[in-house]
Amino acid sequence: KAGVTQTPRYLIKTRGQQVTLSCSPISGHRSVSWYQQTPGQGLQFLFEYFSETQRNKGNFPGRFSGRQFSNSRSEMNVSTLELGDSALYLCASSPGQAIMNTEAFFGQGTRLTVV
Amino acid sequence: GNSVTQMEGPVTLSEEAFLTINCTYTATGYPSLFWYVQYPGEGLQLLLKATKADDKGSNKGFEATYRKETTSFHLEKGSVQVSDSAVYFCALSTTGFQKLVFGTGTRLLVSP
Repeated sequence: KAGVTQTPRYLIKTRGQQVTLSCSPISGHRSVSWYQQTPGQGLQFLFEYFSETQRNKGNFPGRFSGRQFSNSRSEMNVSTLELGDSALYLCASSPGQAIMNTEAFFGQGTRLTVV
Repeated sequence: GNSVTQMEGPVTLSEEAFLTINCTYTATGYPSLFWYVQYPGEGLQLLLKATKADDKGSNKGFEATYRKETTSFHLEKGSVQVSDSAVYFCALSTTGFQKLVFGTGTRLLVSP
């Protein structure tokens, strides 16, 4: 069974640009969550999508957005990039049922560097 | 709000030493608790989990017990190996909607 696939693995962008990151969940999984990992703030929840609908949102500015397609693949977009957006962006997939012990499977992440 | 507090790292041990990484939490309701591990250049892997009080999660020699009375979920291993060197994250979820709240992570360094 293929795992969670994130593309690209590495990205360098200039301040002010926008970027789109992609996540393909495990086959059959309908929930995709996104996290930002930085040395200063640690791992922070961005948002979660289930069946093409945003079900949960973290405390990030509106420059961070996402969407999910009918095949459960998800993209996140960051507009007007700032230096502080440099981070490892992790995607996690799960079956999607609202069950407390549902496991989340993580991808390897996309390392975004803003210069 | 919900939060997780982990001990500061790095934790430096010799091979075959006993490991404890402390984790305490604050949460409304009854959270599920997790330990994730991150190897260099990789994403997170679930190490173990517990979903109710007194549950013990275990995997690959690691164990953690969900202690509601002390709001703790300490990670232990009786004999660490060099290959256990990684960053360990304690996390909780209260919604079941895959919104995990993570601790800051504890780096473990094991020397031969």
